[in-house]
Amino acid sequence: NAGVMQNPRHLVRRRGQEARLRCSPMKGHSHVYWYRQLPEEGLKFMVYLQKENIIDESGMPKERFSAEFPKEGPSILRIQQVVRGDSAAYFCASSPPGSSQETQYFGPGTRLLVL
Amino acid sequence: SQQGEEDPQALSIQEGENATMNCSYKTSINNLQWYRQNSGRGLVHLILIRSNEREKHSGRLRVTLDTSKKSSSLLITASRAADTASYFCATVVHNTDKLIFGTGTRLQVFP
Repeated sequence: NAGVMQNPRHLVRRRGQEARLRCSPMKGHSHVYWYRQLPEEGLKFMVYLQKENIIDESGMPKERFSAEFPKEGPSILRIQQVVRGDSAAYFCASSPPGSSQETQYFGPGTRLLVL
Repeated sequence: SQQGEEDPQALSIQEGENATMNCSYKTSINNLQWYRQNSGRGLVHLILIRSNEREKHSGRLRVTLDTSKKSSSLLITASRAADTASYFCATVVHNTDKLIFGTGTRLQVFP
């Protein structure tokens, strides 16, 4: 059973470009969470999704950021018109149905660098 | 901010010594979890303790939880160089599904 997969592992963008980060949850997991980690800091919650639904987006910036988890395919975190402050590691986690308050399984992260 | 605090921020010890990390949080919780992060890597789940539990063991790990003080501690006994990593506590806030992470303790174990 493969773990949570994220791609790309590293992404370099120039200011104003778009960044698309992908997350494939573990097999059988229907809950996906996105977190952001700035250098030397802990992870901060961004958004919680179930298939085709955003459950909690209280940690997501109101502008430029969006997330989706379609019926088929990976979850996508999209950042439009990136700025230098978006440089961070973005981690995805997943959990099985009915266990959102239990252990979340984390992917290896995507490290975004905005030049 | 709901983010918890961890203490100390950094800890350096020799192999074989014990390492103790503390975590404080702010809100009512369902459970508290500890994760490890090696440099440049993702997080690995270590242990989960529920709000009605006071102590839990897993191998060389011992976790305590004091809900009256809103604090938890992680003890790693007989540390090894491979334990070198950052350690984060994370709480699941009551009636939500998101993890709130602490600021982390950077542990360095010297051979």
